[in-house]
Amino acid sequence: IQLTQSPSLLSASVGDRVTLSCKGSQNINNYLAWYQQKLGEAPKLLIYNTNSLQTGIPSRFSGSGSGTDYTLTISSLQPEDVATYFCYQYNNGLTFGSGTKLEIK
Amino acid sequence: QVQLKESGPGLVQPSETLSLTCTVSGFSLTSYSVSWVRQPSGKGPEWMGRMWYDGDTAYNSALKSRLSISRDTSKNQVFLKMNSLQTDDTGTYYCTTLNYGGWVDAWGQGASVTVSS
Repeated sequence: IQLTQSPSLLSASVGDRVTLSCKGSQNINNYLAWYQQKLGEAPKLLIYNTNSLQTGIPSRFSGSGSGTDYTLTISSLQPEDVATYFCYQYNNGLTFGSGTKLEIK
Repeated sequence: QVQLKESGPGLVQPSETLSLTCTVSGFSLTSYSVSWVRQPSGKGPEWMGRMWYDGDTAYNSALKSRLSISRDTSKNQVFLKMNSLQTDDTGTYYCTTLNYGGWVDAWGQGASVTVSS
């Protein structure tokens, strides 16, 4: 399964509601996770099984979706959220998306 | 606390073999699976392969012919060997845990590998 993330670059203001998209080439059956990668660091798990928040992750992060289309939402963008976000499917093989780079306007 | 740490050479000659070691702590290799994931600079990660908790292995079909993953449970170590390296194998190589549900949860700090003569 191939994953396409959009947009590749997103610029938003602090406090904005931000939505990142991930689309699969086939049905992912909700077996989708999201990771945050800050510059020079390893990725960090944010959400698994489409909408389950990993322990310790702020509640402003949420996930949704079904079938081939999935979304990561940040309800109120904070400066520390500047990072690249990757989606990852584990329904059929294990594949990552190419990422959305999120910056502050 | 789950921890993973990769070690190995930072520079590999083209056509040579890459050998990396992942040393884990905070969990048992016989209870939890470990994966290798690599990431070229500025690109998305690529899952390479995994060592199941029962000792079985699985590989990315694109790398299967060049890749081998093994372990030493007495030393809490998982090993990656990949042969016939080329310049596009350059990147950061991560050792990760693989949750029973299938998602990658914990990540090591990563090992930077450059393939160059």
